[in-house]
Amino acid sequence: DAKTTQPPSMDCAEGRAANLPCNHSTISGNEYVYWYRQIHSQGPQYIIHGLKNNETNEMASLIITEDRKSSTLILPHATLRDTAVYYCIADATSGTYKYIFGTGTRLKVLA
Amino acid sequence: KAGVTQTPRYLIKTRGQQVTLSCSPISGHRSVSWYQQTPGQGLQFLFEYFSETQRNKGNFPGRFSGRQFSNSRSEMNVSTLELGDSALYLCASSLAPATGGRGAFFGQGTRLTVV
Repeated sequence: DAKTTQPPSMDCAEGRAANLPCNHSTISGNEYVYWYRQIHSQGPQYIIHGLKNNETNEMASLIITEDRKSSTLILPHATLRDTAVYYCIADATSGTYKYIFGTGTRLKVLA
Repeated sequence: KAGVTQTPRYLIKTRGQQVTLSCSPISGHRSVSWYQQTPGQGLQFLFEYFSETQRNKGNFPGRFSGRQFSNSRSEMNVSTLELGDSALYLCASSLAPATGGRGAFFGQGTRLTVV
């Protein structure tokens, strides 16, 4: 599985868009990009995933560069409840295969 | 529909003892994986089961073992506990190892403290 690199921490003002970058320069053609978040040491929560097209759901948008070497998770209107550690994972399956979690980005949403 | 259920939520054990943790996946899910989370090492993959068969195993010593039952429920066991085994143990489930679908669902975890 590809290794991902994320900034260790970011701050975002409440109500503003939070843009979380992820680098996955060694991603393989069959690997999807998954984003999870973990709040207060609860279990990680699935946010969104994509292969090469941009994706949007009720939680977030995922922008993947054309060369697929990086992606950005966008929380359009961050709230205090979005304060969490966000993990970007490159994985070839959606099953519970051996996800390789990096250190993630600790997002702090400020009032 | 009920989520992934892990029991117990909290556990305190003494060094040298053994422990068994349980995970009930979402109804209909047949794939279950286990992860260990510690402040120093982060989230690390332990093993994955599908249809009662271990399909993948992470880089952990043989003291860590698991199994899956015919109803997809899974247990993991840690023998001869060490202080370093103190961690949050997370279980994740999914329908099947299909490519490109929604990611796995995680339980709330079992917090194990070894004293």
